Amino acid sequence: ELKVEQNPLFLSMQEGKNYTIYCNYSTTSDRLYWYRQDPGKSLESLFVLLSNGAVKQEGRLMASLDTKARLSTLHITAAVHDLSATYFCAVDKGGGADGLTFGKGTHLIIQP
Amino acid sequence: GAGVSQTPSNKVTEKGKYVELRCDPISGHTALYWYRQSLGQGPEFLIYFQGTGAADDSGLPNDRFFAVRPEGSVSTLKIQRTERGDSAVYLCASSFGRSNTQYFGPGTRLTVL
Repeated sequence: ELKVEQNPLFLSMQEGKNYTIYCNYSTTSDRLYWYRQDPGKSLESLFVLLSNGAVKQEGRLMASLDTKARLSTLHITAAVHDLSATYFCAVDKGGGADGLTFGKGTHLIIQP
Repeated sequence: GAGVSQTPSNKVTEKGKYVELRCDPISGHTALYWYRQSLGQGPEFLIYFQGTGAADDSGLPNDRFFAVRPEGSVSTLKIQRTERGDSAVYLCASSFGRSNTQYFGPGTRLTVL
């Protein structure tokens, strides 16, 4: 059974600081997705990482993928309050199956 | 263009009742997914359609849950004999083909009293 673990599950940080969210998964998978969810809202796609060593950046967020270590990271640079949200990583079930397996999410609060 | 839409946005029902939740995917998207999200958790996969057929229904928790997509566009998730444990936000997503980015709808919040 594919398992996706995120840590930390909760993070409170100050504006201007840097931090990294980690996503580990248990079996071989081709694709890794990062989503953002604001309270009471649906999920917004942030990044799709398709291969080992893939790195993508959008504004203050940067995501990377190491398929050998089965690890993805989401790095936040010089955090601002607007980035406060819950961040989920998700992995294709793989093996010909479909649908995504999500982590529990990282609830991020950025304080002024 | 328009995103994924879901109706109703909220549904309150009594234990034992039947409910239908509707999803209208992004035009042209052939793949459609249903997920369920409980409070404080990540979405949990239920079922995947490619076109009109259910290609993977391994996430449906039991035979009270059923979904259809008769014309390859709109999908309906049907829950019979609802139980309090079915209370959750039901999310629909669509993508242009399998293993592409999934775009999520706003969800239907189901409350079973």
